[in-house]
Amino acid sequence: QVQLVESGGNLVKPGGSLRLSCAASGFIFSDYYMSWIRQAPGKGLEWVSYISSVSTYTNYADSVKGRFTISRDNAKKSLYLQMNGLRDEDTAVYYCARVLTPADVFDIWGQGTMVTVSS
Amino acid sequence: QSALTQPASVSGSPGQSITISCTGTSSDVGGYFLVSWYQHHPGTAPNLMIYDGSKRPSGVSTRFSGSKSGNTAYLTISGLQAEDEADYYCGSYAGYGTFLNWVFGGGTKLTVL
Repeated sequence: QVQLVESGGNLVKPGGSLRLSCAASGFIFSDYYMSWIRQAPGKGLEWVSYISSVSTYTNYADSVKGRFTISRDNAKKSLYLQMNGLRDEDTAVYYCARVLTPADVFDIWGQGTMVTVSS
Repeated sequence: QSALTQPASVSGSPGQSITISCTGTSSDVGGYFLVSWYQHHPGTAPNLMIYDGSKRPSGVSTRFSGSKSGNTAYLTISGLQAEDEADYYCGSYAGYGTFLNWVFGGGTKLTVL
């Protein structure tokens, strides 16, 4: 069964750091690009970052560039998001998603992990 | 990238058809055939319903169809059923070269009356 399971969400103070993880199963993780997408309370989806299959390429939304770092460990079938300098506006449910190429769409999503940034 | 524009809500009765619009620019929706639609029941994982503007993944009902005209994409759901009630998001590829990036719409809440 193809599955993505996120973890690591928590309550953190502004300026703090958090590391999210996403465990993949049921498919050859190293064959796929992966991405993080978030949804703030009452808002729509916002793409955050992507990483290529062997970590050669990454990119970030302007809103997180310089503060967030995406990485992956293909041996552990895991995706990560290191979030530093967290702000109130980073409060959201964070989803990891598999990127289906060449269509460049997100065909498998996890159920999300909640990050709350508040003093 | 600015978010794509979707109506906040649409509604329809069982058996009817509804259409949700998604308006972007020539840098995203209008520039690529890479518009996708996602169904999201809150608290669960979003589901891909349409990709490449009009293609359905295996297992998605033929009642769901997609189209595009210029900078606007459309999702049509025919023969509305109660389980179609959900939030729907459009998404579009908006990158270039190795700088992949995507933009999403604000979401449309579908109510089945």
